[in-house]
Amino acid sequence: GNSVTQMEGPVTLSEEAFLTINCTYTATGYPSLFWYVQYPGEGLQLLLKATKADDKGSNKGFEATYRKETTSFHLEKGSVQVSDSAVYFCALRDWGGFKTIFGAGTRLFVKA
Amino acid sequence: EAGVAQSPRYKIIEKRQSVAFWCNPISGHATLYWYQQILGQGPKLLIQFQNNGVVDDSQLPKDRFSAERLKGVDSTLKIQPAKLEDSAVYLCASHKLEGMNTEAFFGQGTRLTVV
Repeated sequence: GNSVTQMEGPVTLSEEAFLTINCTYTATGYPSLFWYVQYPGEGLQLLLKATKADDKGSNKGFEATYRKETTSFHLEKGSVQVSDSAVYFCALRDWGGFKTIFGAGTRLFVKA
Repeated sequence: EAGVAQSPRYKIIEKRQSVAFWCNPISGHATLYWYQQILGQGPKLLIQFQNNGVVDDSQLPKDRFSAERLKGVDSTLKIQPAKLEDSAVYLCASHKLEGMNTEAFFGQGTRLTVV
């Protein structure tokens, strides 16, 4: 079945460091891919999305490119801030089913 | 545009008691989901509604969990009787029926603690 695998956390970085959170997926057809962010005590918010191969989603300095050949959707940011500390979830929506499947999440801590 | 509303935000109950959660999705969103998020894990889909019909409830523990979406708008999720392992955040989400490219919008969740 469809699934999403993320790198395990927590990830601890200093402010202004480069961030990569790896995400790979298994799916039939052509899923849409998403990154969601969950700040402490809050619900999940969409961070960015990509709906077809080679699409790049971007928002708030974060980017991720839909790579069908490697079935990956890695999240990157060039310079993280303390306010980026949160849990990041990679997700896919399966082809035709409208079901959103989540990875386990990666907790990011950014130190000042 | 108002977001997905959930209540209560927090609930503490003893095992074997029953509990109910309520969700009001974004107006016009035909699809509604309930997810269970255990501490340290990603959200797990419990049930998906399209209007007032169930699309997928394969992961719902039907011996103790039930959900309904009367009139295709609000939804309630019930647990009876609760077990210790049901302690989790219960998230409600919704999205428009049409379009693969639309994302799901989430409520803030209900944190359930079973003692």
